[in-house]
Amino acid sequence: NAGVMQNPRHLVRRRGQEARLRCSPMKGHSHVYWYRQLPEEGLKFMVYLQKENIIDESGMPKERFSAEFPKEGPSILRIQQVVRGDSAAYFCASSPTRDPKRELFFGEGSRLTVL
Amino acid sequence: ELKVEQNPLFLSMQEGKNYTIYCNYSTTSDRLYWYRQDPGKSLESLFVLLSNGAVKQEGRLMASLDTKARLSTLHITAAVHDLSATYFCAVERSQGGSEKLVFGKGTKLTVNP
Repeated sequence: NAGVMQNPRHLVRRRGQEARLRCSPMKGHSHVYWYRQLPEEGLKFMVYLQKENIIDESGMPKERFSAEFPKEGPSILRIQQVVRGDSAAYFCASSPTRDPKRELFFGEGSRLTVL
Repeated sequence: ELKVEQNPLFLSMQEGKNYTIYCNYSTTSDRLYWYRQDPGKSLESLFVLLSNGAVKQEGRLMASLDTKARLSTLHITAAVHDLSATYFCAVERSQGGSEKLVFGKGTKLTVNP
């Protein structure tokens, strides 16, 4: 059973470009979360999705950031017109439905560098 | 707003010694998680603590939860170099049908030979 798969692992963009980060949850998991980690910091919640639904996007900046989890295919976190402050590690996590522990399983992360 | 504070943020200890990392949080929650992160890597789940008084142990690590005091501890016994990593506690926040984790800043542990 493969773990949470994220790609790309490393992404370099110039200011103003777009970044697309992909996340395939573990098999059988229908809940996907995106977190952002700045250097020397803990992870900060961005968005929680289920298939075709955004459940909670309270941690996501209102502008330039969007997320989706389509019926088929991976979840995508999209950052438009990137700025240097977007440089961070972006982690995706998934959990199964009806898990009383609600344990999250994290991917290896996508490290975005904005030049 | 739920705040999670860990201390210490940096910990350097010698092999064979014992130490405790503390995690305080500001509002009621019944679920607390401990994760380990190695540099440049993902987070590895260590413990899930689901109720007041919960205690879990794995190898040289033991975690406990006191929901009344809003405090969790991660105790390290007879540290070895392989335990060097950053340890995060995370507290679940439930709001409007959504559960999410609020993380502490992490404790960077270095175990010296």
